[in-house]
Amino acid sequence: DGGITQSPKYLFRKEGQNVTLSCEQNLNHDAMYWYRQDPGQGLRLIYYSQIVNDFQKGDIAEGYSVSREKKESFPLTVTSAQKNPTAFYLCASRNTGLNTGELFFGEGSRLTVL
Amino acid sequence: AQSVTQLDSQVPVFEEAPVELRCNYSSSVSVYLFWYVQYPNQGLQLLLKYLSGSTLVKGINGFEAEFNKSQTSFHLRKPSVHISDTAEYFCAVTVNSGGYNKLIFGAGTRLAVHP
Repeated sequence: DGGITQSPKYLFRKEGQNVTLSCEQNLNHDAMYWYRQDPGQGLRLIYYSQIVNDFQKGDIAEGYSVSREKKESFPLTVTSAQKNPTAFYLCASRNTGLNTGELFFGEGSRLTVL
Repeated sequence: AQSVTQLDSQVPVFEEAPVELRCNYSSSVSVYLFWYVQYPNQGLQLLLKYLSGSTLVKGINGFEAEFNKSQTSFHLRKPSVHISDTAEYFCAVTVNSGGYNKLIFGAGTRLAVHP
């Protein structure tokens, strides 16, 4: 079955360490997204990519970095510059051919900074 | 700017009672509208969507929503809820940005179904 796989599901890190969250999709979608979710809040867009080798900052990109070297993969690095990285991170993809805006989501990764 | 307002942050309801989760959006143009559900520690799953046609949209798990253009609303309803419907529900609307449609989410409504 096609879908989006995020790993790891749970991740713990010490302050000052960088960590990379993996996102892989086999839906053949061109566009991919990273969102951050905090308790009781909605989704905030971190970065998005509409095509391979191209990506743009979202609303809260500071302290994060991404790459898009392959269509299937859009990893997110949470750097030590991110002031409050503990959160639930969601990866999503979109079929740009339909252009309805509909997103397909992965199961999420929960990052806890100790 | 396009925005989505979910009028209730939390909705408690008893099992087998009806429920309505409210969503209003700001737009004067044609839109695409979505409801997503999120169970604890999981990603978002599409419940239903309105793209065009009939304003009453049926989705999974017995949910339905009605698109009301004059009131710019897209309220979600279920006639009889189950304990398993306890989750966070997000309303979303598309907005055209730089030539492509991107999704704007509401803040979410937490539905708590009690026995």
